[in-house]
Amino acid sequence: EVKLDETGGGLVQPGRPMKLSCVASGFTFSDYWMNWVRQSPEKGLEWVAQIRNKPYNYETYYSDSVKGRFTISRDDSKSSVYLQMNNLRAEDMGIYYCTRSSYGDYWGQGTTLTVSS
Amino acid sequence: EIVLTQSIPSLTVSAGERVTISCKSNQNLLWSGNQRYCLVWHQWKPGQTPTPLITWTSDRYSGVPDRFIGSGSVTDFTLTISSVQAEDVAVYFCQQHLHIPYTFGGGTKLEIK
Repeated sequence: EVKLDETGGGLVQPGRPMKLSCVASGFTFSDYWMNWVRQSPEKGLEWVAQIRNKPYNYETYYSDSVKGRFTISRDDSKSSVYLQMNNLRAEDMGIYYCTRSSYGDYWGQGTTLTVSS
Repeated sequence: EIVLTQSIPSLTVSAGERVTISCKSNQNLLWSGNQRYCLVWHQWKPGQTPTPLITWTSDRYSGVPDRFIGSGSVTDFTLTISSVQAEDVAVYFCQQHLHIPYTFGGGTKLEIK
């Protein structure tokens, strides 16, 4: 059974960093591109970042709204993907989902990020 | 950025009815690599994670009942449920994976009378 388990959300002050993690199981993690997608009442579902796998040189891509502040990474030995978020803003608040592949064939349950002083 | 518009945010229908959900793109979603459209339909049931129903506009995902039918081309796409069942209560949203940033429709919430 494919599972994606996100952790690391919580309350953080504006301008502070936070790191999300997603542990995958039930499939060969190294074979897949991985994404972070977030959901907020204001913007709905918003794709945030993607990291490709080794054949694609682990290339990374970001939405304009997070470029320069967020970094996606992966550790294939741990079947994990991460999202390092720096200089957090109120508009980054939402539920963050880890998803598999370009068309999101599996999603995690999500982890909630609250940015507030 | 490709914008996907689902013009109907919610629908309430009776079981057994035929339902059509629309998704319009502001750009052609054709991928030259396979001449297919990069449009996915997801189903998001309450308390669950989203799951794909239809990929490449019209390919039913593994295990998806045949009452779910995807169609469309270029910029206009449709998800049809031929005979709605009680278990189909969910939010249905489209997603394009042709160009980064991947984008999503706003979703259509389906409820049963």
